Amino acid sequence: DGGITQSPKYLFRKEGQNVTLSCEQNLNHDAMYWYRQDPGQGLRLIYYSQIVNDFQKGDIAEGYSVSREKKESFPLTVTSAQKNPTAFYLCASSTTSGGDGEQFFGPGTRLTVL
Amino acid sequence: GENVEQHPSTLSVQEGDSAVIKCTYSDSASNYFPWYKQELGKRPQLIIDIRSNVGEKKDQRIAVTLNKTAKHFSLHITETQPEDSAVYFCAAMGFNQGGKLIFGQGTELSVKP
Repeated sequence: DGGITQSPKYLFRKEGQNVTLSCEQNLNHDAMYWYRQDPGQGLRLIYYSQIVNDFQKGDIAEGYSVSREKKESFPLTVTSAQKNPTAFYLCASSTTSGGDGEQFFGPGTRLTVL
Repeated sequence: GENVEQHPSTLSVQEGDSAVIKCTYSDSASNYFPWYKQELGKRPQLIIDIRSNVGEKKDQRIAVTLNKTAKHFSLHITETQPEDSAVYFCAAMGFNQGGKLIFGQGTELSVKP
C-alpha cells in the first residue's frame, strides 16, 4: 500500500486549535485531492490541486485551507472556523487531471475534536 | 454540478448469491465511472471502472454496466464471498472537471456465510 501516505493516523484537537494533516505521494502524480468522510456517508471533496502552486475549492472548503508548494505534498489545515471537524480525512492522487485517471487513496487520518 | 445517487444503502446476501448496486448521475457530460471498495477503517480501493464509450465491463466475479441514455450504472458481484463484505462507493467524473470525482453515498454489503 505504498505510494501515498498520510500522517498522523489519529489526531486529537482541542476546540479553537488549528491542525495540519500531512499527505505525501511518490507516484509522480500531478493531481491531489482531499476528502472528508463522515459515518454512513460518501466522500465529500474539500480541496483539489491539479498542479503545483495551484488549487481549487471543492464542495465543502469552508474552514479548511491547503497549500501545494511541492508536487509530492498537499497538506490540509483544519482551522478553528470549521465547526464540526471530527471526521475521517482521506487524501488521494491521480496521474491526470483530464477526467479519466484512477485516484489512489492514502490510509486516512481520523481527527477527533475534544 | 454533478450529483450521484446510490442505492441501496445496505444490502445483505447469502454467500454464493449475487449482489447488485445501482447508481444514477445527473451530468450527461460525465464520462468516467469508477467503483471503490472500502473495508472498515481502511482506504477506498478501486475495484472496477468504466468509461462512457463502453456499455459493460467484466473482471472475474465483478461487472459494471452503463446506460448513458438513462444515466445510470450498476455494479454486479456474482458468487459472493464473506470477504466481499465492505462498503462500496460509485463515483462519476466529467471531462475537464479537474479530475473531480463525485461519490455516491455508499452501500454497505454484508455477505452471510
